[in-house]
Amino acid sequence: AQTVTQSQPEMSVQEAETVTLSCTYDTSENNYYLFWYKQPPSRQMILVIRQEAYKQQNATENRFSVNFQKAAKSFSLKISDSQLGDTAMYFCAFMKSGGGSNYKLTFGKGTLLTVNP
Amino acid sequence: EPEVTQTPSHQVTQMGQEVILRCVPISNHLYFYWYRQILGQKVEFLVSFYNNEISEKSEIFDDQFSVERPDGSNFTLKIRSTKLEDSAMYFCASREQGYTFGSGTRLTVV
Repeated sequence: AQTVTQSQPEMSVQEAETVTLSCTYDTSENNYYLFWYKQPPSRQMILVIRQEAYKQQNATENRFSVNFQKAAKSFSLKISDSQLGDTAMYFCAFMKSGGGSNYKLTFGKGTLLTVNP
Repeated sequence: EPEVTQTPSHQVTQMGQEVILRCVPISNHLYFYWYRQILGQKVEFLVSFYNNEISEKSEIFDDQFSVERPDGSNFTLKIRSTKLEDSAMYFCASREQGYTFGSGTRLTVV
């Protein structure tokens, strides 16, 4: 079974600064995806970024980028130029892919990020 | 952009009552899921559904739970006899290349 660990229950950052959220995972699978989801107070689950395990290049989406270290099983999220609207709970998630997979998501416990003005 | 629609957004029910949570997945998606998030906790997988049958279910998904796709568009989660600990946010999702989550149903059991 896969596990996803987010060791930072809460973090805060000043507006316009950069913050990094940590995530580690444990799996024996070779084929998988990793995700960061954002959950604002509305509790909607919003995909921030995704990474295919077979790709060495780190994924980037505008101000959001990841540092994917496959050997270390680490998948951190960097938010640059933080904005007040980035205030939310952030969940790291793992999804096994390939044959025999139901593509279910396994989530970490989340990190509550607060962006201060 | 296509959406997954969940109704109702909030449901309050008495303990022991049956509830049905409804979802309309994206029309060309083939894989459907229910996830649960107890307040302040992580999101947990309940069940996956493909080709009109359950493809995987978690330990949480006991005999009190059932899912159905009654008419080719709706995807429902039924809890037969609700317990206080069923109070949670329930998310429906559908998937083709990637996941799309609905906005959730907040279930409160009193």
